[in-house]
Amino acid sequence: SQQGEEDPQALSIQEGENATMNCSYKTSINNLQWYRQNSGRGLVHLILIRSNEREKHSGRLRVTLDTSKKSSSLLITASRAADTASYFCATDARSNYQLIWGAGTKLIIKP
Amino acid sequence: DAGITQSPRYKITETGRQVTLMCHQTWSHSYMFWYRQDLGHGLRLIYYSAAADITDKGEVPDGYVVSRSKTENFPLTLESATRSQTSVYFCASRDTPDTSYNEQFFGPGTRLTVL
Repeated sequence: SQQGEEDPQALSIQEGENATMNCSYKTSINNLQWYRQNSGRGLVHLILIRSNEREKHSGRLRVTLDTSKKSSSLLITASRAADTASYFCATDARSNYQLIWGAGTKLIIKP
Repeated sequence: DAGITQSPRYKITETGRQVTLMCHQTWSHSYMFWYRQDLGHGLRLIYYSAAADITDKGEVPDGYVVSRSKTENFPLTLESATRSQTSVYFCASRDTPDTSYNEQFFGPGTRLTVL
């Protein structure tokens, strides 16, 4: 079963708008990661947030983590066409080297 | 600076045939992983390896075999391919066992079709 579940499954916005994706998980975690996958490519790591952190920034990315609600959100500000991709959250609930993945959010940025 | 490579990138085979997917990494990472990606399921772990000659099952290991005689290589074999194994397969690697930072690096994937 999946640990992380992203919401929404798909999101289509205009270029320049902000995009927000959510991830929920079921059990306690050490950290949560977000990855991006461009069509036909492998996944690329975006950002990792530890369980004792509430918010983290990286360029136009902002990630929040609420361990009480077992949820995380990824905000992409000032979206660009190049942000069109699928975004996945992954948690390390089972061990320190196995990651549990959600099904992803497909983000489309319209020019 | 090759990173992590997979071959072949595309493969079409028939039911019952044996298929081996190759994965090679140039970083000398200790940990390596095989995932399959299917629509609606995200990534599912097939097998992983913590070091050469150490492998273990993941979430969906049935029908697959792995080996790791060298740190840099982690081949995945489908002993007798079935249509349900049609999928995109990703190899990944990771260096540190530190739980506070366990980013995985992914290969470009192999798209396998079993007819």
